[in-house]
Amino acid sequence: DQQVKQNSPSLSVQEGRISILNCDYTNSMFDYFLWYKKYPAEGPTFLISISSIKDKNEDGRFTVFLNKSAKHLSLHIVPSQPGDSAVYFCAASPSNDYKLSFGAGTTVTVRA
Amino acid sequence: DADVTQTPRNRITKTGKRIMLECSQTKGHDRMYWYRQDPGLGLRLIYYSFDVKDINKGEISDGYSVSRQAQAKFSLSLESAIPNQTALYFCATSDASTPPLNYGYTFGSGTRLTVV
Repeated sequence: DQQVKQNSPSLSVQEGRISILNCDYTNSMFDYFLWYKKYPAEGPTFLISISSIKDKNEDGRFTVFLNKSAKHLSLHIVPSQPGDSAVYFCAASPSNDYKLSFGAGTTVTVRA
Repeated sequence: DADVTQTPRNRITKTGKRIMLECSQTKGHDRMYWYRQDPGLGLRLIYYSFDVKDINKGEISDGYSVSRQAQAKFSLSLESAIPNQTALYFCATSDASTPPLNYGYTFGSGTRLTVV
């Protein structure tokens, strides 16, 4: 049973607009949450993370929001650029266990 | 050279054959992991190793075995390959002294395995 769920397999957005990717989790022991980005024929690369003591973390065009009560996090990309077209994975880990659990991924396509 | 190197990049094998996927890293990380990616299922953990003498099963270890030959090398074996092991396999590393929050894992480029 997947503990990290990304219910939208794909997202299409126009260049310059906001991309919002959603992720839900079921394990209340998760304390660390990360987003990875993956291009074809490459491995996933770390994008941004947040710990459970925060509700927002921002890094340039990327912002992650965490709602612990709802067991939900989201990734906002503003403004979206063509190079953002990729698969995005949500991942989570308890603080005492550095194994990451991943979601199924969301494929983002940024249209010119 | 890549920080995490996986060989081969692509492999087609027949049902029942034994196959080994290899992973080597130059990051100096103690922790290494094997994941497989399947459409709609994301990345699932097969095995992980926190040091050379520590090997642990992940959530889908049946049909697989691993060997940690050195700090830098972690190989995954399919003793008798079956078609539902067709997938994209990723090796990853992490630093034991750094929480996953800071940098997460470093992944290799993957091995695409097809079992026919």
